[in-house]
Amino acid sequence: QVQLVQSGAEVKKPGASVKVSCKASGYTFAGYYLHWVRQAPGQGLEWMGWINPKSGDTHYVQKFQGWVTMTRDTSISTAYMELNRLTSDDTAVYYCVRRAAGGLYGMDVWGQGTTVTVSS
Amino acid sequence: AIQVTQSPSSLSASVGDRVTITCRASQGIRNDLGWYQQTPGKAPKLLIYAASTLQSGVPSRFSGSGSGTDFTLTISSLQPEDFATYYCLQDYSYPYTFGQGTKLEIK
Repeated sequence: QVQLVQSGAEVKKPGASVKVSCKASGYTFAGYYLHWVRQAPGQGLEWMGWINPKSGDTHYVQKFQGWVTMTRDTSISTAYMELNRLTSDDTAVYYCVRRAAGGLYGMDVWGQGTTVTVSS
Repeated sequence: AIQVTQSPSSLSASVGDRVTITCRASQGIRNDLGWYQQTPGKAPKLLIYAASTLQSGVPSRFSGSGSGTDFTLTISSLQPEDFATYYCLQDYSYPYTFGQGTKLEIK
């Protein structure tokens, strides 16, 4: 079935980097953009940006530019989100979610989420 | 950035009730708005996209309406599994922005 499976929970120290993976299965990887959304504990949802798996093009929210990198490996249908210079404010659950190219549809398949904890 | 104001922030209701949640965008966004449901510890789930199109597999008691700046999500007859937090998301322009969420609780 169509699914996105993310990597496991991470605990990092302030100033470190984290790289979260998102493996797609059950559909054509290149046919859907992959977006990343995060949710701090007890808070709402925050959209971070997307990657086009077909071209590798990316778009990041301005606040994350220079700080986040989204990449993909088409040979294994996997997308990655790397966040650098972590602070406690980056403690959150990070979700990958697909959306059909063209933007006519919603974000219909979500990963299970990856908890990233930043603590000294 | 477009601001999306969602109301109410919380809502108490009973099984069988009809409830409405609203989102107001700070500028016109055509019909580029979706609604998502999230239960504790789970990923969000798409309910409605393009303001009023029901996602495949979502029960017909959910409906969405609106265009421009004002949007509503209606649940016609609440079921026990509907008690969750609901978010709207504008995808008209970057950065995409979510509403603050509405927590729907059992009365």
